Amino acid sequence: AQSVTQLGSHVSVSEGALVLLRCNYSSSVPPYLFWYVQYPNQGLQLLLKYTSAATLVKGINGFEAEFKKSETSFHLTKPSAHMSDAAEYFCAVSDGQGGKLIFGQGTELSVKP
Amino acid sequence: DAMVIQNPRYQVTQFGKPVTLSCSQTLNHNVMYWYQQKSSQAPKLLFHYYDKDFNNEADTPDNFQSRRPNTSFCFLDIRSPGLGDAAMYLCATSERQGNEQFFGPGTRLTVL
Repeated sequence: AQSVTQLGSHVSVSEGALVLLRCNYSSSVPPYLFWYVQYPNQGLQLLLKYTSAATLVKGINGFEAEFKKSETSFHLTKPSAHMSDAAEYFCAVSDGQGGKLIFGQGTELSVKP
Repeated sequence: DAMVIQNPRYQVTQFGKPVTLSCSQTLNHNVMYWYQQKSSQAPKLLFHYYDKDFNNEADTPDNFQSRRPNTSFCFLDIRSPGLGDAAMYLCATSERQGNEQFFGPGTRLTVL
């Protein structure tokens, strides 16, 4: 079975500050890991994905995430927050073998001017 | 641009009045999914199609049905909407199960 835990349902940062959104996973097989962003009244947009290649994954909008097997983590970072980054962020895991996508509960990111 | 399209974006229905939400895709993906998302919650998978094979989640109420007449289109039918069915409904596609999913913009359903 697989599961995802996102630490912190709300994260607030100042514009220009580092963004760090935490995601820990549990998986009995090598996982596929994803980060999605959702703006109000919109669908989910894929930010980046890890599928067993490079452990440091770069995505869109300046985001990146590092797969750490020893820590079972896949935290999302961005060096400098922008007002437009304010949104809901979802971490998700699958087994890459036909299993469904398991979502975390989401983290709402607020960016203060 | 290849995409997932959902119509309408906003749907208002009355308690107990059947409603159909539609989804189309130009990605030619094999798998199509329907999710229900309530406020401040993660999307909840209702069912998915792998090609023509329908897969229902165990906890999806019988009130929810789906049709996939061809590769491009998929419909969500809610036979007798209750107040608790008010939510955002998201359609997604993927090339195969377990891969990244591409989401449509969603349909926000209001039940009066």
